[in-house]
Amino acid sequence: DAGVTQSPTHLIKTRGQQVTLRCSPISGHKSVSWYQQVLGQGPQFIFQYYEKEERGRGNFPDRFSARQFPNYSSELNVNALLLGDSALYLCASSLGTSENNEQFFGPGTRLTVL
Amino acid sequence: ILNVEQSPQSLHVQEGDSTNFTCSFPSSNFYALHWYRWETAKSPEALFVMTLNGDEKKKGRISATLNTKEGYSYLYIKGSQPEDSATYLCAFIYNTDKLIFGTGTRLQVFP
Repeated sequence: DAGVTQSPTHLIKTRGQQVTLRCSPISGHKSVSWYQQVLGQGPQFIFQYYEKEERGRGNFPDRFSARQFPNYSSELNVNALLLGDSALYLCASSLGTSENNEQFFGPGTRLTVL
Repeated sequence: ILNVEQSPQSLHVQEGDSTNFTCSFPSSNFYALHWYRWETAKSPEALFVMTLNGDEKKKGRISATLNTKEGYSYLYIKGSQPEDSATYLCAFIYNTDKLIFGTGTRLQVFP
């Protein structure tokens, strides 16, 4: 079985541009969460989606948005990119939203904003 | 502001040494605590999901304990091996759908 996949693996953008990151969960998983990891810090929670609805949102500005599709894949969009948005963006899938469900992480997308 | 702290930040041990790290979290609104291992160039991998005060979990040479009343969890590695070298992250889950990761403990095991 394939694990969580993310695309692209690397991305370079300039300030002010917009970016879309993609995530495909493990088959059968209905929940997808997004995290931002800046060097030297732990991953910061951005969003959780379950059954195509937003179930949780971290402390990120409205420039960050996401959605989940009927096949449970998900996209993370970031508008008006800032230099500080440069980070590793991780996607994780789980069976549901229960705190008992361990999350399975993808390899991440490394975003560099110049 | 909720804070999850991990200590130490980094640790260097010799092969065969046993070691432990701490994750401290708020003792209110507790739902669960997760431990993850993150090897360089790989994805974070779940080690334990802990929900009950007094929980003790074990996977091979790695074990973890949980004290929700005082807000801490310990991760132990017995007889460290070079392949244990990784960053160990804890994540505190509160209000069922929100979680906060600690900054991690970076473990290096030398042969």
